[in-house]
Amino acid sequence: KNQVEQSPQSLIILEGKNCTLQCNYTVSPFSNLRWYKQDTGRGPVSLTIMTFSENTKSNGRYTATLDADTKQSSLHITASQLSDSASYICVVSPDNYGGATNKLIFGTGTLLAVQP
Amino acid sequence: EAGVTQFPSHSVIEKGQTVTLRCDPISGHDNLYWYRRVMGKEIKFLLHFVKESKQDESGMPNNRFLAERTGGTYSTLKVQPAELEDSGVYFCASSQTRLQTDTQYFGPGTRLTVL
Repeated sequence: KNQVEQSPQSLIILEGKNCTLQCNYTVSPFSNLRWYKQDTGRGPVSLTIMTFSENTKSNGRYTATLDADTKQSSLHITASQLSDSASYICVVSPDNYGGATNKLIFGTGTLLAVQP
Repeated sequence: EAGVTQFPSHSVIEKGQTVTLRCDPISGHDNLYWYRRVMGKEIKFLLHFVKESKQDESGMPNNRFLAERTGGTYSTLKVQPAELEDSGVYFCASSQTRLQTDTQYFGPGTRLTVL
């Protein structure tokens, strides 16, 4: 079982509408949680990074929330645009206690299609 | 400023052959990471370089995979001999510092197909 689970697997919305994507994780110890956007044929691009003490972070029309107690995060997209069509990936960084590794643990992503 | 670049963008080889993937990180980024995604699965960590040193190679699947970063600039990932299950997209990322909250910038990936 993956340590980072996302839902829904895919989503279709109309341009201009809002949507919310969900992420649940079991990674422990936890350092931070990131949301990445990945367009087809491109590498992931960072949208937000939140640490344990942050419960919300915005980047333009993207707003991420984090509940570290329940190990849940969400990504809310406001007033969607056609260019928002992409895969949105929830990524967790385990706490390395100042040690060596900065590995990231990825979810499988939510594929969002915005239709005109 | 140029982003992370990877070469080639696609590679098709036969089982048993050797393939070398290259990654050029963002200039000045000491930290370089390799990840891969096999079909239908999530992206998974392979290894992490700090300059030319391997900081964490816990994700390397087996000894058919060899990563190098001579001189602490670009990195290569060699697969020898390639097997069918090695097919997937190999991503490289770089970050400026070792801070856990530092952004990792990803390249476009190399799609490897082993026939």
